Amino acid sequence: NAGVTQTPKFRILKIGQSMTLQCTQDMNHNYMYWYRQDPGMGLKLIYYSVGAGITDKGEVPNGYNVSRSTTEDFPLRLELAAPSQTSVYFCASTQPPFEAFFGQGTRLTVV
Amino acid sequence: AQTVTQSQPEMSVQEAETVTLSCTYDTSESDYYLFWYKQPPSRQMILVIRQEAYKQQNATENRFSVNFQKAAKSFSLKISDSQLGDAAMYFCAYRPIINSGGSNYKLTFGKGTLLTVNP
Repeated sequence: NAGVTQTPKFRILKIGQSMTLQCTQDMNHNYMYWYRQDPGMGLKLIYYSVGAGITDKGEVPNGYNVSRSTTEDFPLRLELAAPSQTSVYFCASTQPPFEAFFGQGTRLTVV
Repeated sequence: AQTVTQSQPEMSVQEAETVTLSCTYDTSESDYYLFWYKQPPSRQMILVIRQEAYKQQNATENRFSVNFQKAAKSFSLKISDSQLGDAAMYFCAYRPIINSGGSNYKLTFGKGTLLTVNP
């Protein structure tokens, strides 16, 4: 089992560029999440999905978009990257009521 | 809305000693899970321990144990016989069991406690 796989691990973007962070899980989990982690701020929820075709906003959705066309994949799209989106991004999945499994994170720098 | 508070941004402990990390939370739910996650410098989020709110017995996992006080909404982590490999950021997290009130099994994190282990 690969668990939750995130790509890329690192990325540098220029202001105004776009990119997609990929997330795939092979555990057949219905629930998937995207978090961002900023120093001293813990993890904040960007978007989440309760199943294929269903997504909803978390605490900090502005500047991001998601889609969930399959159970396995939950990509996060950044349009018009801004320096405020410099962060570490984590994808996670779970099948309630059990614990969430996390990807290894993506360190994104917007310059 | 549920909130999780970790009041200790940083803690330090001597190797082989015991340390306790604090966590409080706020919720109106009666059934939920609480978690402690460890994040070493590798960035990987690793589950340390899980507590079901309906269980009165405190969870233990080897050197890790919790003190769960439901009425006080407190969930502290005790690390016994601390090892150098325990040095990491520790996050407390909350998630409801029942999908009610729009909570949709959201996992809410505290801001973390950075633990340093001194040799």
